[in-house]
Amino acid sequence: AQKVTQAQTEISVVEKEDVTLDCVYETRDTTYYLFWYKQPPSGELVFLIRRNSFDEQNEISGRYSWNFQKSTSSFNFTITASQVVDSAVYFCALSVADMRFGAGTRLTVKP
Amino acid sequence: NAGVTQTPKFRVLKTGQSMTLLCAQDMNHEYMYWYRQDPGMGLRLIHYSVGEGTTAKGEVPDGYNVSRLKKQNFLLGLESAAPSQTSVYFCASSYNRVNTEAFFGQGTRLTVV
Repeated sequence: AQKVTQAQTEISVVEKEDVTLDCVYETRDTTYYLFWYKQPPSGELVFLIRRNSFDEQNEISGRYSWNFQKSTSSFNFTITASQVVDSAVYFCALSVADMRFGAGTRLTVKP
Repeated sequence: NAGVTQTPKFRVLKTGQSMTLLCAQDMNHEYMYWYRQDPGMGLRLIHYSVGEGTTAKGEVPDGYNVSRLKKQNFLLGLESAAPSQTSVYFCASSYNRVNTEAFFGQGTRLTVV
């Protein structure tokens, strides 16, 4: 069985603070893919990143960075110097036979 | 470039009524999916399709039926709507089933009263 846990239901920060969104996954498969999606207030889901199980390199894209650690089955997402436009619900997803999502973390960035 | 388009965007149904949600994609993707999003539960897979003429059950298929008569369209049907089916429904498509990202529609907010 595959499962994704996003323990943080809601996070509130003040603009320019750094924030980390946690994602823990469970699977018995050795080949799998991890994703992060953003759901802004408009409602659509926007793809942010994909990582396969054989690539543990961390990735940085502008203010966004991702930390993949197989030893702890985690794929955490950090936003540096947060901005109001980062306010959204963020979903972590695990894909083995099909894509399964975590419950999401609602991030509110206050000015 | 439309991507994934869902029709309708909003709908209110009475218990026992039926309806069909339409999803259309213009990216020539083989794989299409229907998810429902409920508070605190993320997105849960209802049904999916790996190609024209095929469908398969996901995590929460009960009460729903689907059809994929054309590659670009994936229909989700509710034969007898129940209040428990009040949710936001998302259609998605992808190039591959596992290792590529899914592209999502804008969602359909369905309320069953």
